[in-house]
Amino acid sequence: RKEVEQDPGPFNVPEGATVAFNCTYSNSASQSFFWYRQDCRKEPKLLMSVYSSGNEDGRFTAQLNRASQYISLLIRDSKLSDSATYLCVVPRGGSQGNLIFGKGTKLSVKP
Amino acid sequence: DARVTQTPRDKVTEMGQEVTMRCQPILGHNTVFWYRQTMMQGLELLAYFRNRAPLDDSGMPKDRFSAEMPDATLATLKIQPSEPRDSAVYFCASGLGGLTGELFFGEGSRLTVL
Repeated sequence: RKEVEQDPGPFNVPEGATVAFNCTYSNSASQSFFWYRQDCRKEPKLLMSVYSSGNEDGRFTAQLNRASQYISLLIRDSKLSDSATYLCVVPRGGSQGNLIFGKGTKLSVKP
Repeated sequence: DARVTQTPRDKVTEMGQEVTMRCQPILGHNTVFWYRQTMMQGLELLAYFRNRAPLDDSGMPKDRFSAEMPDATLATLKIQPSEPRDSAVYFCASGLGGLTGELFFGEGSRLTVL
């Protein structure tokens, strides 16, 4: 299994839809996980952190399944502005400072 | 508003030339990263510094790439000689380490090697 693996998409959804992305990771010792968002031709920015079973922030919910070694990101009531690439991020070797990024899942929200 | 600053923003050069990219991390951050992003490979970690000491440069081609932090306000990534396959966007990021996992990225340096 790769260190971090994501479905590249693209996910094309209409406004208002609910969409979910999964990410699998190989290091069972990882304690924390992150979702970053990257807009086209921009730098990545932190979207959410996941330290235990999950985290919720408005329309965004991140969940962690340690047994199956995957994390998910759920976006409810999607907006046009949610169109971006979502990167799953896992610390390498348990080290909190050294982060490994997945290749990202591209989301396109259409009117 | 504190931010990571990278120069140059865009660089076009010819194969064989030396390329130096510079990064000013956010003041007070003790971790600095260099990532390379391409469509095919995504974000690849090239080098990782903590308190200016290199901790991981296993992702960096040692024969042509070098990364240094001459002081806390400057990180450099040098490619000598450059090759067309080095064409990519190079991001510098800084952070506080620990559990937050938040890295602050610069806007990137887009390198094209002809």
